[in-house]
Amino acid sequence: DAMVIQNPRYQVTQFGKPVTLSCSQTLNHNVMYWYQQKSSQAPKLLFHYYDKDFNNEADTPDNFQSRRPNTSFCFLDIRSPGLGDAAMYLCAAQGGGGYTEAFFGQGTRLTVV
Amino acid sequence: QKEVEQDPGPLSVPEGAIVSLNCTYSNSAFQYFMWYRQYSRKGPELLMYTYSSGNKEDGRFTAQVDKSSKYISLFIRDSQPSDSATYLCAMLPGYSSASKIIFGSGTRLSIRP
Repeated sequence: DAMVIQNPRYQVTQFGKPVTLSCSQTLNHNVMYWYQQKSSQAPKLLFHYYDKDFNNEADTPDNFQSRRPNTSFCFLDIRSPGLGDAAMYLCAAQGGGGYTEAFFGQGTRLTVV
Repeated sequence: QKEVEQDPGPLSVPEGAIVSLNCTYSNSAFQYFMWYRQYSRKGPELLMYTYSSGNKEDGRFTAQVDKSSKYISLFIRDSQPSDSATYLCAMLPGYSSASKIIFGSGTRLSIRP
């Protein structure tokens, strides 16, 4: 059974039109991550949450925002998508209590037209 | 210098061969080490997770960590065409609000039938 679920799997949005990607986890893990991955590149960390503590990477554009309303859900908002924001967006969950494996969802592939 | 260095490949071997994938790192604070397999257009799948130095075996996969050399390896025995994917190493210094997973750039592996 999927433990980290991302919706939608594929998203097409217009240039400049706000878009929200969602992630949910059934693991009850403390930490959630959002990564951006472009073709043939390593995942690039955008944000991560340790419980409600929000950590923003210094080079994450202001155009990207995130919300975590509760333990299970996390959202990535792109306020004004540009062509350069087309990528795979990956969400991951990681637990505490000594369990540090991070599990990823299947990703959302974002296309900007 | 990147915190984590990984040979991007591509690496092509015949079916049945032993594959060795490697990463080096510079941050001596890393304690947790993970290997992920990522098929094209899919999210990373956790293969192996190890804590500190030592070996861990799971089926055809063996993960090795040598903290004194800041070097980790993933060995795949009896490689199969289904092992063809990109392999990402990932590391974590510890578990706190400031910790985050750092990825290598990934090695693209192809197993020839």
